[in-house]
Amino acid sequence: GQNIDQPTEMTATEGAIVQINCTYQTSGFNGLFWYQQHAGEAPTFLSYNVLDGLEEKGRFSSFLSRSKGYSYLLLKELQMKDSASYLCAVMDSNYQLIWGAGTKLIIKP
Amino acid sequence: ETGVTQTPRHLVMGMTNKKSLKCEQHLGHNAMYWYKQSAKKPLELMFVYNFKEQTENNSVPSRFSPECPNSSHLFLHLHTLQPEDSALYLCASSQDIQGVTYEQYFGPGTRLTVT
Repeated sequence: GQNIDQPTEMTATEGAIVQINCTYQTSGFNGLFWYQQHAGEAPTFLSYNVLDGLEEKGRFSSFLSRSKGYSYLLLKELQMKDSASYLCAVMDSNYQLIWGAGTKLIIKP
Repeated sequence: ETGVTQTPRHLVMGMTNKKSLKCEQHLGHNAMYWYKQSAKKPLELMFVYNFKEQTENNSVPSRFSPECPNSSHLFLHLHTLQPEDSALYLCASSQDIQGVTYEQYFGPGTRLTVT
């Protein structure tokens, strides 16, 4: 079966760096997505990786290793507004998005 | 503002009621989706429409009935629901269902409670 694993919850301190991991097992691979979802709001797109390596976008970076079925989202200079759930999703060979359950990130002052 | 709107934002209904959820996208996209989001569970894809044609129905019970009259509007008709159907129902749209970049834009969701 298809599976996406990510930690349920993480806690970090304002100003610090946090890495949220995602491992996947899917039938085929057409890219990996990270979305941010604040409580009670819609998920919003953060990043897309289809090739191995690191994609940097401001304070957020996303890494992919296809051979290991692994990705991480790196958040730097954490701010209180980064408190949210972070969803990992993989597009399979049928172009369907397979979603993880999300990682709830709690930022403490 | 994501360009995808959903109404109502909150809905409480009894198991014998009939109600409809509405989604509208203002982005000129060709594909629209219904998802169910339950606490601490992955997003569950329910239905996919591409150019108004349904392309996916992921074994969703018949008490959920989608309708897509045009590429901008999507409805989810609900009848004789069960308490376990209580969840956040999210609508999303994308330029197409296939492609190198496939970003989905989500609406704010309808929080459904079945009593």
